[in-house]
Amino acid sequence: GDSVTQMEGPVTLSEEAFLTINCTYTATGYPSLFWYVQYPGEGLQLLLKATKADDKGSNKGFEATYRKETTSFHLEKGSVQVSDSAVYFCALYNQGGKLIFGQGTELSVKP
Amino acid sequence: NAGVMQNPRHLVRRRGQEARLRCSPVKGHSHVYWYRQLPEEGLKFMVYLQKENIIDESGMPKERFSAEFPKEGPSILRIQQVVRGDSAAYFCASSPERGGQPQHFGDGTRLSIL
Repeated sequence: GDSVTQMEGPVTLSEEAFLTINCTYTATGYPSLFWYVQYPGEGLQLLLKATKADDKGSNKGFEATYRKETTSFHLEKGSVQVSDSAVYFCALYNQGGKLIFGQGTELSVKP
Repeated sequence: NAGVMQNPRHLVRRRGQEARLRCSPVKGHSHVYWYRQLPEEGLKFMVYLQKENIIDESGMPKERFSAEFPKEGPSILRIQQVVRGDSAAYFCASSPERGGQPQHFGDGTRLSIL
């Protein structure tokens, strides 16, 4: 079945460092891909999405490119801030309605 | 515009009791999804409902768990005879159409079993 694998956390960075969180997927067909962010005690917020190969999703300085050849959707940001500290989830939607999530990667940014 | 509203935010139950979790979708959304987040894990799909219909319950445990989304009122996730392993955060999401993406998430109900 379809699945999503993320790099394990926690990831600890200093402010203004470069961020990469790896995400790879297994799916039949052509899924849509998402990154969600979860701040402590809150629900999930959509960060960015891509619906077809080579699409680049971007929002708030974060970017991810849908790479079908490597089945990847890595999240990047050039300069992280303390306020970016959260748990990040990669997810895919293929068909039928449900989202399939990775296990989440906790990011901690130190001043 | 109100987003997805879940209540209660926190729920404490003793083993053997019943837990009822409520979810009001975004206004105009008729499709509701429930997910469970166990400690240190990602979200796992449980059930997908449309008004008065269960579309996909492939992620629901076979016993003790049930869900409904009546014509009027919120969607309810019901857990009977709770056990310690039911302790988790339960999230509800909604969309305006079948398979509509992205799904809008509520803040979740954190269920603790004593």
